[in-house]
Amino acid sequence: ETGVTQTPRHLVMGMTNKKSLKCEQHLGHNAMYWYKQSAKKPLELMFVYNFKEQTENNSVPSRFSPECPNSSHLFLHLHTLQPEDSALYLCASSPRGGEAGNTIYFGEGSWLTVV
Amino acid sequence: KNQVEQSPQSLIILEGKNCTLQCNYTVSPFSNLRWYKQDTGRGPVSLTIMTFSENTKSNGRYTATLDADTKQSSLHITASQLSDSASYICVVSAGGSQGNLIFGKGTKLSVKP
Repeated sequence: ETGVTQTPRHLVMGMTNKKSLKCEQHLGHNAMYWYKQSAKKPLELMFVYNFKEQTENNSVPSRFSPECPNSSHLFLHLHTLQPEDSALYLCASSPRGGEAGNTIYFGEGSWLTVV
Repeated sequence: KNQVEQSPQSLIILEGKNCTLQCNYTVSPFSNLRWYKQDTGRGPVSLTIMTFSENTKSNGRYTATLDADTKQSSLHITASQLSDSASYICVVSAGGSQGNLIFGKGTKLSVKP
């Protein structure tokens, strides 16, 4: 139990579906992140939120839409995805935003399959 | 270009044996280096984090070393256990924002009985 909870753990969706991934952290952290992990590739940063404000968008296609209503919750809205978007999506948090020395705490991930 | 290279890609050892995983990086500027353990189907868990001035750091049976001059790090696992089977990811921070974390592809370790 890392203190970062992701739901659902597994999701299968069609290319025309709309779905959302949810992340909640119980650590009192101020920064939250979405990462994508594909097979045999390094983790790729998608989005960073510091104090609910988006501070980084790593050239992510618009079919991925993040939402951060408060410092404890983070969503990733999915719309008209492609099969190559199938991957493990990891949410993470850290104590303070934008500081390189912080340990990042990851959730268990949401396995997404696009059919 | 900032890069983190890990070797070997995969490794199989017998339970009770020691092993060493390697990480070479070309990241500038350098802020810190982290090792994460990722069990299959789960999120990565932090093992160690080292800054420029630290040469070694231990976490139980895991010992990480850092040579900032040669830009190399290693993770040594002592008396391996079946539960050590996982991917081990080296991550280097280029400082500044968290967006400057450079991830390696990981080394997949299998510990056999």
